[in-house]
Amino acid sequence: AQRVTQPEKLLSVFKGAPVELKCNYSYSGSPELFWYVQYSRQRLQLLLRHISRESIKGFTADLNKGETSFHLKKPFAQEEDSAMYYCALRGSNDYKLSFGAGTTVTVRA
Amino acid sequence: DVKVTQSSRYLVKRTGEKVFLECVQDMDHENMFWYRQDPGLGLRLIYFSYDVKMKEKGDIPEGYSVSREKKERFSLILESASTNQTSMYLCASTSPHTEAFFGQGTRLTVV
Repeated sequence: AQRVTQPEKLLSVFKGAPVELKCNYSYSGSPELFWYVQYSRQRLQLLLRHISRESIKGFTADLNKGETSFHLKKPFAQEEDSAMYYCALRGSNDYKLSFGAGTTVTVRA
Repeated sequence: DVKVTQSSRYLVKRTGEKVFLECVQDMDHENMFWYRQDPGLGLRLIYFSYDVKMKEKGDIPEGYSVSREKKERFSLILESASTNQTSMYLCASTSPHTEAFFGQGTRLTVV
């Protein structure tokens, strides 16, 4: 079975402050991990995936297999980062794509 | 511009009605998914399909069924709608090594 846990439902930070969204997973094989974002009144879209190792909109995430974590970080939050963020996992041998419960981020001026 | 299109943005149905939610993708993706999105619960997988006429149960399949007669179309069926199926329903499609693309969502209210 695969599971994705996002322990924080809500996160509020000031503009310019660092932000970190936690994601832990359980999966017996080698998973593929993603972060998706949903801005107000927009459809869910990919933010980044661990295999690309890119920084998107200043966000980075490192897959830590020892701690089974894939935390999302940004050193200086901006107001336009206010959104709902979902961590997701796809198994290496199947097609099932599972999501966490999501974290709502509010960046205050 | 890639597209996943859900047939309705808003839907209001009565308890006991049979409800069809349609999803079409134009990317020739093999895999398609139906989720429901509820506050505090995130996206929960109802059913997914990895090929035409193939389907697998997700985490919360009870009260739902699906149909995939053509590669581009994946339908979610509520056999007998109940008020606890009031939710936002999201369709997604992907190929094995691509990201998932989502539809705009269907907000279903069962009264």
